[in-house]
Amino acid sequence: DQQVKQNSPSLSVQEGRISILNCDYTNSMFDYFLWYKKYPAEGPTFLISISSIKDKNEDGRFTVFLNKSAKHLSLHIVPSQPGDSAVYFCAARGRGGADGLTFGKGTHLIIQP
Amino acid sequence: NAGVTQTPKFRVLKTGQSMTLLCAQDMNHEYMYWYRQDPGMGLRLIHYSVGEGTTAKGEVPDGYNVSRLKKQNFLLGLESAAPSQTSVYFCASRWEGGTAYEQYFGPGTRLTVT
Repeated sequence: DQQVKQNSPSLSVQEGRISILNCDYTNSMFDYFLWYKKYPAEGPTFLISISSIKDKNEDGRFTVFLNKSAKHLSLHIVPSQPGDSAVYFCAARGRGGADGLTFGKGTHLIIQP
Repeated sequence: NAGVTQTPKFRVLKTGQSMTLLCAQDMNHEYMYWYRQDPGMGLRLIHYSVGEGTTAKGEVPDGYNVSRLKKQNFLLGLESAAPSQTSVYFCASRWEGGTAYEQYFGPGTRLTVT
């Protein structure tokens, strides 16, 4: 049973436009959400995070929005750049229980020139 | 400052063989983790440690053992490798304080079991 879902395996966006990556979750015990970026043959690198008590967090070109009632979050990248082409993972941390993150399957973002 | 390093980068095992994957971090982090990633899947937590001498099970612990004898090292062992353990293994660590829960990942070990 997938608790963190990224329903778009891939997304193609033109350079300079906005990229919007979506993530849904089912576990209401998640209290922190993170986005990671991964290039081939490398480990994931942290991008941005948001606490469940907030609805928006911004860091440069990256903004994460959280809609708790819909159990949905999104990552906005604007403007999109060629170096943004990578796989993006949504991850969540739960209150209590095992430490560690629960990951979605990832979305492959392709920035077209 | 190397961050999180993993040894080896690649390995091919025959079914039934054993091996140990080594993770080392130089950030003085208390928490360390082992994940596996299979094709088309997200990362799944195998085991984790909240400090030297402690270990705990994650989502997919069967077939693996771990040890944290030193704060900077976290070892993942496969006693009798199976083809289902073919995967890319990632180690991660994080600081125990604050509320960011941000984990730093190593570059991964690609393991093939034939």
